[in-house]
Amino acid sequence: AQKVTQAQTEISVVEKEDVTLDCVYETRDTTYYLFWYKQPPSGELVFLIRRNSFDEQNEISGRYSWNFQKSTSSFNFTITASQVVDSAVYFCALSEAHRDDKIIFGKGTRLHILP
Amino acid sequence: EAGVTQSPTHLIKTRGQQATLRCSPISGHTSVYWYQQALGLGLQFLLWYDEGEERNRGNFPPRFSGRQFPNYSSELNVNALELEDSALYLCASSLVLGTSSYNEQFFGPGTRLTVL
Repeated sequence: AQKVTQAQTEISVVEKEDVTLDCVYETRDTTYYLFWYKQPPSGELVFLIRRNSFDEQNEISGRYSWNFQKSTSSFNFTITASQVVDSAVYFCALSEAHRDDKIIFGKGTRLHILP
Repeated sequence: EAGVTQSPTHLIKTRGQQATLRCSPISGHTSVYWYQQALGLGLQFLLWYDEGEERNRGNFPPRFSGRQFPNYSSELNVNALELEDSALYLCASSLVLGTSSYNEQFFGPGTRLTVL
């Protein structure tokens, strides 16, 4: 069965601190995709990253970085030097590579960056 | 290029009524997906339409239904509304490239449904 677990419901950090959002997934497929989305207070989903299961290279994009480890079924997201504008709900998600196409989302982590 | 659009932005209904939500995909996209984001439940897959047909359905009762029109726009209908149907309903669209490619889903801004 597919499942995405984001154990951290809510996190608060002071601006400029680094913060890591945890994500653990379950799937029986060998080919799958992992995602992170940001949902600011306005409600729209902002796509941040997609990784396929064959690419375990970590990725860095500005202050954002992602650590994908198949051995522990984890896809963690780190924001360095956090800013108030990073305050949002962050969703980790999984999609299995067949014609199903649906995205399975974790329950989200609400991140508060305090000035 | 215009993104996925949804209407209305907000919708207020009373229990027992029917709600109709609309979604226009990105031009050229043939697939439309519906997701529900209810408080405390996260985002859950509802329905997937492709080329006018329902392809997959999430774990929701039959009073959640929809359709896809020849222009690929879609409607989500929720009958016999219940208080717990209050949620943000997100629509996404994608261009189906084939089974060997990932079909990126692009999300709309959502319709916030409130059931009183």
